[in-house]
Amino acid sequence: DAGITQSPRYKITETGRQVTLMCHQTWSHSYMFWYRQDLGHGLRLIYYSAAADITDKGEVPDGYVVSRSKTENFPLTLESATRSQTSVYFCASSESGGGDTQYFGPGTRLTVL
Amino acid sequence: QKEVEQNSGPLSVPEGAIASLNCTYSDRVSQSFFWYRQYSGKSPELIMSIYSNGDKEDGRFTAQLNKASQYVSLLIRDSQPSDSATYLCAVNHVSNSGYALNFGKGTSLLVTP
Repeated sequence: DAGITQSPRYKITETGRQVTLMCHQTWSHSYMFWYRQDLGHGLRLIYYSAAADITDKGEVPDGYVVSRSKTENFPLTLESATRSQTSVYFCASSESGGGDTQYFGPGTRLTVL
Repeated sequence: QKEVEQNSGPLSVPEGAIASLNCTYSDRVSQSFFWYRQYSGKSPELIMSIYSNGDKEDGRFTAQLNKASQYVSLLIRDSQPSDSATYLCAVNHVSNSGYALNFGKGTSLLVTP
């Protein structure tokens, strides 16, 4: 099906482990984004990418790594998970930058014990 | 950090009434404004985008933008219980590192039968 998908949908891990969250879109959108959503903070941008091999930091990038070797994929890696990274993670994409609409994936609920 | 402010609510309105949701933003050069709806446990979905001063109508929804006052609002006419959700205001801004959307923390709307 066309659209934007995330996997896994739910993940429980332990402090110090490496975790990778996957995001895949079928629209060939140039821009992709990773957000985290926490009570009291709303949606906060972690990283974004304007195209394959072009990534940039958002508001809360510390502890996260991204890559984008293909236009359709934008994985987010927590190199050494901490409890403060327990959150709901949303991937989004948009056709272009500037004022273009962002479309969100279903989210991944991550719990770090 | 550019701010987007919304009342957290909950805003409670009776079925059939008009719900009015408000948002202010701090970045004077912002050009693109969005309203997203988010049901509990789901991802944000776009309701409206607005780029010019004035009103923009789409069905029961009307977005209003006043760039001079740095204010954007969403009116929902004939509110239905299915409109009960959190509404997120998003505003674009361009920084040294590129393009991003800033989201408000959302207003919770409850439509009572």
